[in-house]
Amino acid sequence: DGGITQSPKYLFRKEGQNVTLSCEQNLNHDAMYWYRQDPGQGLRLIYYSQIVNDFQKGDIAEGYSVSREKKESFPLTVTSAQKNPTAFYLCASSTGSSGANVLTFGAGSRLTVL
Amino acid sequence: DQQVKQNSPSLSVQEGRISILNCDYTNSMFDYFLWYKKYPAEGPTFLISISSIKDKNEDGRFTVFLNKSAKHLSLHIVPSQPGDSAVYFCAAGLRYGKLTFGQGTILTVHP
Repeated sequence: DGGITQSPKYLFRKEGQNVTLSCEQNLNHDAMYWYRQDPGQGLRLIYYSQIVNDFQKGDIAEGYSVSREKKESFPLTVTSAQKNPTAFYLCASSTGSSGANVLTFGAGSRLTVL
Repeated sequence: DQQVKQNSPSLSVQEGRISILNCDYTNSMFDYFLWYKKYPAEGPTFLISISSIKDKNEDGRFTVFLNKSAKHLSLHIVPSQPGDSAVYFCAAGLRYGKLTFGQGTILTVHP
């Protein structure tokens, strides 16, 4: 079955540590996205990539980094510079410029900073 | 600057009645609008969309209405079912661009 796989589902981190969240898709989608969900704030865009080896900052990119070395993979690193990293992180993909922008989401990763 | 707003954090409806979820946007350039449904600890799933050239789109029990002059869209669910209980997000953007999401509305449908 085609879809998006995010791992790990739950992650605990000590303050000052970097952590990388994995996102893999087998939908052959060109575009991939990272969103963050906080209570009462909906989904906010962190980074997005419309093509391999290219990505753009979203609305809340500070303290995060990404890479897009392969079409199917878009890992997100939460660095120690991110002031409030505890959140639910969602990866998504879409066909991008080749079609209407309907996002397909993964099941999410919940990060808790202790 | 919140470009997409859902002003009702929650909505409670009796089974069989109509649920109406509302969403307002500020960017007049947006030409594509979507609704997503989300259960706890899962990713959102696409529900229905509408482009700016239309004012209504139906899919079974779900209908989305778009009022461009008021920059307002709504999702109607008729009849509501207990399985519809979830968080509903509206999203808006350019048809081939990134989406901006609202804060979400928690819908509870009581049996």
